[in-house]
Amino acid sequence: AQSVTQPDIHITVSEGASLELRCNYSYGATPYLFWYVQSPGQGLQLLLKYFSGDTLVQGIKGFEAEFKRSQSSFNLRKPSVHWSDAAEYFCAVGRGFKTIFGAGTRLFVKA
Amino acid sequence: DAGVTQSPTHLIKTRGQHVTLRCSPISGHKSVSWYQQVLGQGPQFIFQYYEKEERGRGNFPDRFSARQFPNYSSELNVNALLLGDSALYLCASSLDGDRTDTQYFGPGTRLTVL
Repeated sequence: AQSVTQPDIHITVSEGASLELRCNYSYGATPYLFWYVQSPGQGLQLLLKYFSGDTLVQGIKGFEAEFKRSQSSFNLRKPSVHWSDAAEYFCAVGRGFKTIFGAGTRLFVKA
Repeated sequence: DAGVTQSPTHLIKTRGQHVTLRCSPISGHKSVSWYQQVLGQGPQFIFQYYEKEERGRGNFPDRFSARQFPNYSSELNVNALLLGDSALYLCASSLDGDRTDTQYFGPGTRLTVL
């Protein structure tokens, strides 16, 4: 069955430090992969998506993600975190006409 | 341009009641999807509609139903509410609902069932 696993429920990083959020997926075919961010009280915003081609994908707000088929992973990275990045981050895989989301990783940023 | 709008913002109901949630997609978008997000979890797919036809349905009971109108707006209906239906209900619109489409999410409707 198709699924998405985000191993870290929450992560705390210092402002200015680098960030990596982990995502593993289970999918029988070539996956369509996404990262979304959700700020408190708001809907989800797409950060980036991967369909094919270059395995390193650039997104908005300085985020990037790398697709590694051999590891079934699609980890999200940012070289320098800002306080405004504190939010919930969701990895997702597209399957047919629906999107399957992971449980999310809450990012806390400390000064 | 206006984004995806949802109404109401918050709603409180009691068990057994019925609720209707509304969604207006971005202008030009013909597909609307509904998701349920229980506190502490990721969104779960409920329905997708495209050109007024149901294109897909998630693992939700028949108490959940939806429809899409000629102007592409959509309603999600939930009958016989249970405590477990308390959640944030998200609507997302896209151009034609293809899985390569970018989905644009609304702010959601927070439903509390007492």
